[in-house]
Amino acid sequence: SALTQPASVSGSPGQSITISCTGTSSDIGIYNYGSWYQQHPGKAPKLIIYDVSNRPPGVSYRFSGSKSGSTASLTISGLQAEDEADYYCSSYTTSSTWLFGGGTKLTVL
Amino acid sequence: EVQLLESGGGFVQPGGSLRLSCAASGFTFSSYAMSWVRQAPGKGLEWVSGISGSDMNTYDADSVKGRFTISRDNSKNTLYLLMNSLRVEDTAVYYCAKVESWNYFDYWGQGTLVTVSS
Repeated sequence: SALTQPASVSGSPGQSITISCTGTSSDIGIYNYGSWYQQHPGKAPKLIIYDVSNRPPGVSYRFSGSKSGSTASLTISGLQAEDEADYYCSSYTTSSTWLFGGGTKLTVL
Repeated sequence: EVQLLESGGGFVQPGGSLRLSCAASGFTFSSYAMSWVRQAPGKGLEWVSGISGSDMNTYDADSVKGRFTISRDNSKNTLYLLMNSLRVEDTAVYYCAKVESWNYFDYWGQGTLVTVSS
C-alpha cells in the first residue's frame, strides 16, 4: 500500500512547514532511498530531494529532507507563493518495486 | 539535456489494448533503468512498471501484473508499455521516468493520457 502523507498542509509566506511520509521496515525504514517530488497543476513531477536529504542541482536550499526510522520528512523554509503545489514522497522497496505517498497539497496562505 | 517524450495515449474501450512509447535523448539510455508512473485524474502518483538498463529485468505493480508489459529498445533509445485487458481504472496520465541508481526518478516526461471508457 502507499506511503502515508497528510492530505494537506498550509503556511504563510516566510514560515516553515514540514510534510511527513510514513512507511515500513520494507521501504523507508530499511533504505536511505527516500525521495520527494513537487508537482504543480498540469505539470510533470519534479525531483526535489533524493537519498533522504540530497538536493539536485538547481533546487532551492529552502527544501530539506530527513528521516527517522520509517518516517521521512520534507521541510520547506521561508515559504514562497511559488511553493504552492502537491508534494509526493517515494521509496524503493524490498519487493523490487517503488511506492509513492498519497500526496500532500501545500497551500501558501 | 535529458528529454523524455511519451506518445501513444488515447481513448480505448474496456478490454482493449494500447502501446505507449517514450523516446529518450540526452543521456546513455542503455545505462539506466526506466519506469512508467501513472496518475489517475485528481489522484496521486502510482508506480506501474520498471525495467533495468541492459539485462532487461522487469518489475510490475500488482495492479497491472499479467496485463501490462514494459520493454525497451536500446538501439532506438525508446521505452515501451504494452497495455492489454485495459480497465476503466487504468485511466490516467502515464509518465515515463529515468531511474537513477535504481532508486529515484530524476527526469520525467510530460505524460500521455490514456482514457478507458465504453
